[in-house]
Amino acid sequence: GAVVSQHPSRVICKSGTSVKIECRSLDFQATTMFWYRQFPKQSLMLMATSNEGSKATYEQGVEKDKFLINHASLTLSTLTVTSAHPEDSSFYICSARALRGGSDTQYFGPGTRLTVL
Amino acid sequence: QQQVKQSPQSLIVQKGGISIINCAYENTAFDYFPWYQQFPGKGPALLIAIRPDVSEKKEGRFTISFNKSAKQFSLHIMDSQPGDSATYFCAASFSGSARQLTFGSGTQLTVLP
Repeated sequence: GAVVSQHPSRVICKSGTSVKIECRSLDFQATTMFWYRQFPKQSLMLMATSNEGSKATYEQGVEKDKFLINHASLTLSTLTVTSAHPEDSSFYICSARALRGGSDTQYFGPGTRLTVL
Repeated sequence: QQQVKQSPQSLIVQKGGISIINCAYENTAFDYFPWYQQFPGKGPALLIAIRPDVSEKKEGRFTISFNKSAKQFSLHIMDSQPGDSATYFCAASFSGSARQLTFGSGTQLTVLP
């Protein structure tokens, strides 16, 4: 299968600071990446769809000025949580869309646990 | 229309038993139905997926059954093992949405030794 990495795996920050999370597709090019948020014992909530070279499309209720997404290359998308607050503490997961061999599949990263103090 | 409803919320099965998780959808535009397995603190991993042109797909101990007329699909785990204990999510997507996945609410499976 395709491999997607995320960095960092865990981050603890003070309230008011910004945090950047990287998502990389290691062995394939991804024109589309997705960012999700997951609270304990809940399903994945799509935050935004990130397309290489263009602005991200945010889901309703997600503040685009707070969650900055950049998809600068076919293998890298970043999510920056600006002015983080305790309510932003969550598990953030990215996925990358792989189009190869006739299949069209999303592969997920291992997730980033963000804790805002 | 975008919802995917998943049941049960939790499931306890004895080792060697069959685990069955069900999902139902409304949007007839969905044409791809994957199942993901997630362990605590990890990202979801693709387990198996099906398209609506087939009624069943089997990979090892995992089988998806698909009923297009009823708009339902299910995951069967045969010979369930303690290592299968995880949260399982069904999902659905269609090509017109950049393949955005609509997830079910998840099923926490516990396989007792």
